[in-house]
Amino acid sequence: DIQMTQSPSSLSASVGDRVTITCRASQSIGSYLNWYQQKPGKAPKLLIYAASNLQSGVPSRFSGSGSGTDFTLTISSLQPEDFATYSCQQSFTTRYSFGQGTKLEIK
Amino acid sequence: QLQLQESGPGLVKPSETLSLTCTVSGGSISSDTYYWGWIRQPPGKGLEWIGSIYYSGTTYYNPSLNSRVTISVDTSKNQFSLKLSSVTAADTAVFYCARSLPLLKGGYYYYYMDVWGKGTTVTVSS
Repeated sequence: DIQMTQSPSSLSASVGDRVTITCRASQSIGSYLNWYQQKPGKAPKLLIYAASNLQSGVPSRFSGSGSGTDFTLTISSLQPEDFATYSCQQSFTTRYSFGQGTKLEIK
Repeated sequence: QLQLQESGPGLVKPSETLSLTCTVSGGSISSDTYYWGWIRQPPGKGLEWIGSIYYSGTTYYNPSLNSRVTISVDTSKNQFSLKLSSVTAADTAVFYCARSLPLLKGGYYYYYMDVWGKGTTVTVSS
């Protein structure tokens, strides 16, 4: 099984800040890495797929990078609607797995 | 526009079998492009992938749940279903269904889940 580990587990930041969230895979997964945003009581929303491809309709302040075992999600300038939980997910194998999530809170 | 909707009992007794259905509207479940999957989220915890199914019936399951999970597809109803047996309180969660589709890039298929249902809460309690 591929284990996905995110850091930090929680993060406090202010509107306008640049924020980076990291996801590490227990083995190399190439670029088979997706990022989701989830707000309380809502289903996850796809942000980034295949490590760096921005999903249609997602603001350009979101970006993803990385390959192999280390990946990052960056929000270039935090907006009030960005405070949420972010999760990474690998699709290198047909048996997917998620990171534990990173909760982004308002400072 | 493709939509997914989960349905099923909100309360299941311990040791019984949890059964949920995901109804797909606005598109065909029989497309040879997509996989269809189940994901759950226990209260206050992260997302856990349960399993996926192809329209032909090919399935993939989370190894930690493999012995208790069955996912099936009914193309005539445009639905796919989840059964989780021998449930305990630890199986209490919000259950989501989702579509996986591929990006073809450099000769490889990169799958991601782009459409999700709103989720349904299942509580395991006597």
